[in-house]
Amino acid sequence: AQRVTQPEKLLSVFKGAPVELKCNYSYSGSPELFWYVQYSRQRLQLLLRHISRESIKGFTADLNKGETSFHLKKPFAQEEDSAMYYCALLYNTDKLIFGTGTRLQVFP
Amino acid sequence: DAGVTQSPTHLIKTRGQQVTLRCSPKSGHDTVSWYQQALGQGPQFIFQYYEEEERQRGNFPDRFSGHQFPNYSSELNVNALLLGDSALYLCASSLWDRAPHFGNGTRLTVT
Repeated sequence: AQRVTQPEKLLSVFKGAPVELKCNYSYSGSPELFWYVQYSRQRLQLLLRHISRESIKGFTADLNKGETSFHLKKPFAQEEDSAMYYCALLYNTDKLIFGTGTRLQVFP
Repeated sequence: DAGVTQSPTHLIKTRGQQVTLRCSPKSGHDTVSWYQQALGQGPQFIFQYYEEEERQRGNFPDRFSGHQFPNYSSELNVNALLLGDSALYLCASSLWDRAPHFGNGTRLTVT
């Protein structure tokens, strides 16, 4: 069955520290993966899409098909990065399957 | 560009009642999906509408139904409300092969 796993509910780091938010997926086909971010009191926003291979707000994510992972990374965390992060798998072209999310807290 | 808009923002209903939530997609988008987000969980796919027809459906009972209008806007209806239906309901719109854009959601509380 298709599944997205985010093992960490909460990740706390200090400003300037590296960040890695983990995401593993289970999918028999060719996966299309996303990271969405939700800042406090704001809507879910698309952060990254793996096929675009962009770097947004300093975040990058590489699809590792061997490890079925799509971890989100940033070399130097900023306080404004504090938010809820969701990894999602696109299934059947149009249906997103979300993980349970990881709350990132960046302390000054 | 107004983005995806949802109404109302908050709603309180009693068990057994029926509720209708509304969504206007981002300009130019023709596909609307609905998600339910329970507290502490990621969004769960309910169903998707394209060309006024339900194209895909998640694991939700028939009490959950929807509609898409010619202007691409959409409604989500839930009948016979249960306490467990309390959640944030998210609408997302998209174009073919593009990432979905989400609205702010409607917070439904069933008492």
